[in-house]
Amino acid sequence: EAGVTQSPRYAVLQEGQAVSFWCDPISGHDTLYWYQQPRDQGPQLLVYFRDEAVIDNSQLPSDRFSAVRPKGTNSTLKIQSAKQGDTATYLCASSPSLISNERLFFGHGTKLSVL
Amino acid sequence: AQSVTQPDARVTVSEGASLQLRCKYSYFGTPYLFWYVQYPRQGLQLLLKYYPGDPVVQGVNGFEAEFSKSNSSFHLRKASVHWSDWAVYFCAVSLNTGGLSGKLTFGEGTQVTVIS
Repeated sequence: EAGVTQSPRYAVLQEGQAVSFWCDPISGHDTLYWYQQPRDQGPQLLVYFRDEAVIDNSQLPSDRFSAVRPKGTNSTLKIQSAKQGDTATYLCASSPSLISNERLFFGHGTKLSVL
Repeated sequence: AQSVTQPDARVTVSEGASLQLRCKYSYFGTPYLFWYVQYPRQGLQLLLKYYPGDPVVQGVNGFEAEFSKSNSSFHLRKASVHWSDWAVYFCAVSLNTGGLSGKLTFGEGTQVTVIS
């Protein structure tokens, strides 16, 4: 079974530039999560979807961040105008359902450096 | 709001020695609790998870964790550490609403270094 696939693995930007991260979840998983993990910190939830619907995006900086999952499969997270504070690893995870006790399957992440 | 605290940012342990990693949670009620591990250059992987019931949970690679409602804790243990246990360990909590939620909140992580 293929795992969660993310691309690119690394991104280096200047402040003000835009960047997109792409995630392909495990086939059949209806729930998809985006987490931000700053260096030496735990993952912090940005947004999550059930199928194509956003369940919770309250932690997503809406002025510069956006996330979509148009067909309920792959997802894209975009930063419109990156800031140095956005430097972090962006993790995508999927799970078979939205049940509270369900385990999450994580991708390797995209490591973003904003100079 | 639910939260998780891991008071030890770094732990150094000798190979073959025992290991305990601490986790305290803040949540009204009985939550679902998890330990995930992040090996170097790999994604987060589930070690074990707790459902209400037996307070001691067995996981992979000889790890176990014990839930204590009175102490609001979910500490992770291993009797004999191997060099391959060198990793960052995260405690996480999810709402136990009996329904749909799926929102997992992570602690800050504990870096475990194994020395010979």
